[in-house]
Amino acid sequence: DVKVTQSSRYLVKRTGEKVFLECVQDMDHENMFWYRQDPGLGLRLIYFSYDVKMKEKGDIPEGYSVSREKKERFSLILESASTNQTSMYLCASSLLGGAGSYEQYFGPGTRLTVT
Amino acid sequence: DQQVKQNSPSLSVQEGRISILNCDYTNSMFDYFLWYKKYPAEGPTFLISISSIKDKNEDGRFTVFLNKSAKHLSLHIVPSQPGDSAVYFCAASDNNDMRFGAGTRLTVKP
Repeated sequence: DVKVTQSSRYLVKRTGEKVFLECVQDMDHENMFWYRQDPGLGLRLIYFSYDVKMKEKGDIPEGYSVSREKKERFSLILESASTNQTSMYLCASSLLGGAGSYEQYFGPGTRLTVT
Repeated sequence: DQQVKQNSPSLSVQEGRISILNCDYTNSMFDYFLWYKKYPAEGPTFLISISSIKDKNEDGRFTVFLNKSAKHLSLHIVPSQPGDSAVYFCAASDNNDMRFGAGTRLTVKP
């Protein structure tokens, strides 16, 4: 079974803080993704990585950065958290190919609240 | 601009009846379509998919239908069970991009 884990299920941070969200997958998948899920908007892609140290911007990268130093680990960084970044954050992984080639396997999500 | 739309935010059906969840897309380049199921406090899990060369794919109680000319897909669950109560996301992709709908919350009443 594919397992994607995220470091925190719930996180509360203050405006202006730097926030790190960690994601680890154990299936040797090349592709990893960060999404945010908001009511009525579905899942929106923040960043995508297809290899170590490689990344591509998704639809809403502003205010976020990512890091992939090891194949199994993909981190999302909020440089200076703002209240409009309060959301559910979902990490996913998939086999090598384009971002749309294969089904994605999701972690349980991190609900981030920025106050 | 939402390329994948699920126009019904919620659906309620009786146990044993059919559940039909609908999804529309705008990009004719999409050639692979998926349904994901999400329980509260869990991530979405892959349910069933269909490629554009088919118009139907079946897996047990779940069937996905694709109407390419109408750019429409649907998920049929027969018979519906209380454990099917969840949020269902449809997704559409080409090789380089996967887009998700906003989700439909299905409630199956005992």
